[in-house]
Amino acid sequence: GQNIDQPTEMTATEGAIVQINCTYQTSGFNGLFWYQQHAGEAPTFLSYNVLDGLEEKGRFSSFLSRSKGYSYLLLKELQMKDSASYLCAVRDGAGGTSYGKLTFGQGTILTVHP
Amino acid sequence: DAGITQSPRHKVTETGTPVTLRCHQTENHRYMYWYRQDPGHGLRLIHYSYGVKDTDKGEVSDGYSVSRSKTEDFLLTLESATSSQTSVYFCAISAGPDRNYEQYFGPGTRLTVT
Repeated sequence: GQNIDQPTEMTATEGAIVQINCTYQTSGFNGLFWYQQHAGEAPTFLSYNVLDGLEEKGRFSSFLSRSKGYSYLLLKELQMKDSASYLCAVRDGAGGTSYGKLTFGQGTILTVHP
Repeated sequence: DAGITQSPRHKVTETGTPVTLRCHQTENHRYMYWYRQDPGHGLRLIHYSYGVKDTDKGEVSDGYSVSRSKTEDFLLTLESATSSQTSVYFCAISAGPDRNYEQYFGPGTRLTVT
């Protein structure tokens, strides 16, 4: 099985940098996803990490350490529209038979203040 | 945006009645998933499909059944709805291993069982 932990809530100031952490304990691992979800809307894909290191995509970056079971999402130059829930999800490690099944953490609600 | 629609978008039903939710995609993706999202639990996988007529159970499948008779449609049925099935239901699709099993979500269905 999978156990995924994220902080429940975080606050930050417009223009600042925020780091949202995710730790996982899994029976198998085949990649980690970050999704953004605005209130009342569907989750949208942000990033995917399967190898250790940092993946940068504009203002958003995601980091993975497989040996530590740890990932973080880094948001730079925060904007008010970044206020949302950020979901960490781990893909089962059973390769071809897992069919992409994801286990999600509970999500981190980020509030950006002016 | 991925072409995914869900119907109905909102539904109120009474305990003990059958309910069917529909997920329709225009992307011709092989993999489809049904999740429910509840406060304090995040997104949890109900059932998934890895091809026409190929389905399997997820983490919280009790009380739910699914069918996939053609690539574009994935139906979720609550045979006899209970109040514990009040939730927001999301469908997701994935192109599979060539795209790292990235999942793209439909707009969701808000179901209330009274």
